[in-house]
Amino acid sequence: AQSVTQLGSHVSVSEGALVLLRCNYSSSVPPYLFWYVQYPNQGLQLLLKYTSAATLVKGINGFEAEFKKSETSFHLTKPSAHMSDAAEYFCAVSDRSTGNQFYFGTGTSLTVIP
Amino acid sequence: DTGVSQDPRHKITKRGQNVTFRCDPISEHNRLYWYRQTLGQGPEFLTYFQNEAQLEKSRLLSDRFSAERPKGSFSTLEIQRTEQGDSAMYLCASSLVAGQPQHFGDGTRLSIL
Repeated sequence: AQSVTQLGSHVSVSEGALVLLRCNYSSSVPPYLFWYVQYPNQGLQLLLKYTSAATLVKGINGFEAEFKKSETSFHLTKPSAHMSDAAEYFCAVSDRSTGNQFYFGTGTSLTVIP
Repeated sequence: DTGVSQDPRHKITKRGQNVTFRCDPISEHNRLYWYRQTLGQGPEFLTYFQNEAQLEKSRLLSDRFSAERPKGSFSTLEIQRTEQGDSAMYLCASSLVAGQPQHFGDGTRLSIL
C-alpha cells in the first residue's frame, strides 16, 4: 500500500514570506499526486494535481508543486504567504494501477503571522 | 456542477444508537468514496462505489458499518450500535474516472455522547 509522509505537522511563516510544505511518497512507481487544503469544519479543496505531464505543477491561489522522482517528493510552495492561506494542507497519492482510494498524509497546519 | 453535498452536517447521538448519513455526489460522477477523518489526522479510506457496485472496503469498515448506493446516484453510510471511537468527520467524495481528483463534500461530523 502507498504511504505519504508530511514532514512538519505545524509550519509558521510571516505574511509575504515563502511557504514550503513537504510531502514524500513511498512507492517505486510514481503515483498520482495531489495537494488539498482544508479550512475548519469544511471538506477538502483541491489545490493542484500531478498525473504525468510537467513536473512543475501550478495550482490555485498561487500555489505550485514540483514532482521529483529521485527524491520521491512533491513539495508545495507559494512565493508569498497571505493571511487567507492559514489552513490545514494534505498531500494525497493514489496508485496508477487502480487510482481508486487516496492515501493521505497526516497534514500540515499552516499559520501565517501578520 | 453543484458540488458534493452531505447531510446532516452535524450529528450528536448517544452510544449504542444507529446513525445514517447521506451523500449526493456530483451528478455525472460514477465513482463515490467514503472517508473518515479524526482530529489531527488525514482522511482514511472506508469504501468505494463505481455506480451501484461497492468495489472496495477498508478493514476500518467493521461489521457495524454498511454503505449503499442503490441507484448509482446518492449513497448512505450507516453505523449501527455506535461507539465512542466512531466520533469523527465522515467525508464523501466523488470522481469521474480513476486517478482524477476526488471532489469532497463538507462532511458530517459525528459526536457520540
